[in-house]
Amino acid sequence: NAGVTQTPKFRVLKTGQSMTLLCAQDMNHEYMYWYRQDPGMGLRLIHYSVGEGTTAKGEVPDGYNVSRLKKQNFLLGLESAAPSQTSVYFCASSYKAGQGANAYEQYFGPGTRLTVT
Amino acid sequence: RKEVEQDPGPFNVPEGATVAFNCTYSNSASQSFFWYRQDCRKEPKLLMSVYSSGNEDGRFTAQLNRASQYISLLIRDSKLSDSATYLCVVNQRVGGTSYGKLTFGQGTILTVHP
Repeated sequence: NAGVTQTPKFRVLKTGQSMTLLCAQDMNHEYMYWYRQDPGMGLRLIHYSVGEGTTAKGEVPDGYNVSRLKKQNFLLGLESAAPSQTSVYFCASSYKAGQGANAYEQYFGPGTRLTVT
Repeated sequence: RKEVEQDPGPFNVPEGATVAFNCTYSNSASQSFFWYRQDCRKEPKLLMSVYSSGNEDGRFTAQLNRASQYISLLIRDSKLSDSATYLCVVNQRVGGTSYGKLTFGQGTILTVHP
């Protein structure tokens, strides 16, 4: 049981390049989330998903796209990277409310450190 | 005003000390409250939920004051291993539903020294 995993762990991009961050969870969680963490800003929600095939915008969605084709995977894409997207990206997952567990107990992956030059 | 505000610290305390962190939130409709812990260059991990009546988990005590929109975390008998950033986290109700959309404070840094 690996929990939540993220690939890659580190990446350096040039402005304008694209990339996809992969998040995978093996806990059969319904909900998945992408956050970014910047100094002094705390974690901010980028996009989230409440189930396979569904996605929704969070607090800071601009410049990012997501897909949830399989329940266990949640992909975050940067189509044209900008220096402002230099950050640490965390994926998280949680149970669905009403499943007998706390839906707000989110389990985080180890993070991806992205630098855009 | 930030939705969730914390004193960023840093708090530097000796082993064995008692330390308290405070947090305020702006949305009175917030439903659920948590403290997460984040070690340097690691992911956040749930430390404890915060219940209206207050709750305790070993050396950690959490309290909630809904009227003042205030949450606190008390750590007794601090250990070196308690050194971390402590994140105050609030679940915000949006449009009558909530899918576990949490709002994180920026964190309070704690360093426990020998």
